Amino acid sequence: DAGITQSPRHKVTETGTPVTLRCHQTENHRYMYWYRQDPGHGLRLIHYSYGVKDTDKGEVSDGYSVSRSKTEDFLLTLESATSSQTSVYFCAISRTASGNTIYFGEGSWLTVV
Amino acid sequence: AQTVTQSQPEMSVQEAETVTLSCTYDTSESDYYLFWYKQPPSRQMILVIRQEAYKQQNATENRFSVNFQKAAKSFSLKISDSQLGDAAMYFCAYRSAVETSGSRLTFGEGTQLTVNP
Repeated sequence: DAGITQSPRHKVTETGTPVTLRCHQTENHRYMYWYRQDPGHGLRLIHYSYGVKDTDKGEVSDGYSVSRSKTEDFLLTLESATSSQTSVYFCAISRTASGNTIYFGEGSWLTVV
Repeated sequence: AQTVTQSQPEMSVQEAETVTLSCTYDTSESDYYLFWYKQPPSRQMILVIRQEAYKQQNATENRFSVNFQKAAKSFSLKISDSQLGDAAMYFCAYRSAVETSGSRLTFGEGTQLTVNP
């Protein structure tokens, strides 16, 4: 196991409510990523971080924000959840920007009703 | 931007037979990495095999091997002696070697592999 914990693992929330997903790593890796997985789309990058307080957008960042105040934690926030954000969310980590494999957490199932 | 295409949404194979999953990608970069990930019903993403673009030799991991054709931008996965436990969704992924890109993984849409007993 790559030492990645996602919480919560399952959540049902109502449209318009804020939601925060947490990714915690014990590997001291510099790079952290949030992906979402939807049928027919594979995994798509939402946001990523290349260090404490250093983040950047991915290809599907609208409606999401992130924060990284500590090396080990990377938070994904849905400011006002919508039904289109129902998905499986994966956190991933990598020691370096290239070469090293990216390791994934077990996923967080989010349903917005 | 890089793109990854898996043209086979579903594949099936008989147990103990060999199957090849296709992947093509588009990039203007010369240095990069390619991966195959396996996702069983548990949804865990498991690394199967990786290939460095600067290496001409095809990567092999036990029953899994790749056919990497850099000029053709093709990266297929061959599974030999297929086992029931190989049944899963398989994703091809590209990772840039350029650090300024954040080196995120770009995924294909996946191929669902069924193994028939």
